[in-house]
Amino acid sequence: LAKTTQPVSMDSYEGQEVNITCSHNNIATNDYITWYQQFPSQGPRFIIQGYKTKVTNEVASLFIPADRKSSTLSLPRVSLSDTAVYYCLVGDNQAGTALIFGKGTTLSVSS
Amino acid sequence: GAVVSQHPSRVICKSGTSVKIECRSLDFQATTMFWYRQFPKQSLMLMATSNEGSKATYEQGVEKDKFLINHASLTLSTLTVTSAHPEDSSFYICSARANSRNEQFFGPGTRLTVL
Repeated sequence: LAKTTQPVSMDSYEGQEVNITCSHNNIATNDYITWYQQFPSQGPRFIIQGYKTKVTNEVASLFIPADRKSSTLSLPRVSLSDTAVYYCLVGDNQAGTALIFGKGTTLSVSS
Repeated sequence: GAVVSQHPSRVICKSGTSVKIECRSLDFQATTMFWYRQFPKQSLMLMATSNEGSKATYEQGVEKDKFLINHASLTLSTLTVTSAHPEDSSFYICSARANSRNEQFFGPGTRLTVL
């Protein structure tokens, strides 16, 4: 499974846009890129998934360049409640394939 | 959306006792479920893959005789921590992916404290 590299931590203020970049240089052809959010003492929560170009949903956007060796999670206008750990994961979507977590990025949002 | 539940949410037990944690997929069937462990300030670590009707597959370094996994049905997997010790204290999280959905759904986790 492709290994991912993310910044350990990021700081932001309420109302700002936050972009978290993830490197996955050895991503395979069948791999998707998925981002999860985790609050303390809770299970991870799915944010967004993409294969290439750009994906947008009600909470975030995911930008993936043509070579797919990196991806950027964009959170528009963050609030205090967005303070959490964000994980970038790469893997195929087969039901029997486990997701392997890297260290994640701790985002701290201040007022 | 799909929901995965865990029971109990937290448990405190004495050293040497066994603890069972249940993981259920509430509105979908999951042939495969996964068990993770998370220590404070660390990421999730995959422990094992639970397969309905067959033996679980354990990750390297995880003792299969200590962490018993049973996948009795398409909606239930259980993890039993046998002869628990303080070093087994951790946050245990299960997950499953519905065959018709791309995302993997995680349970809320179970906080195990061994005294």
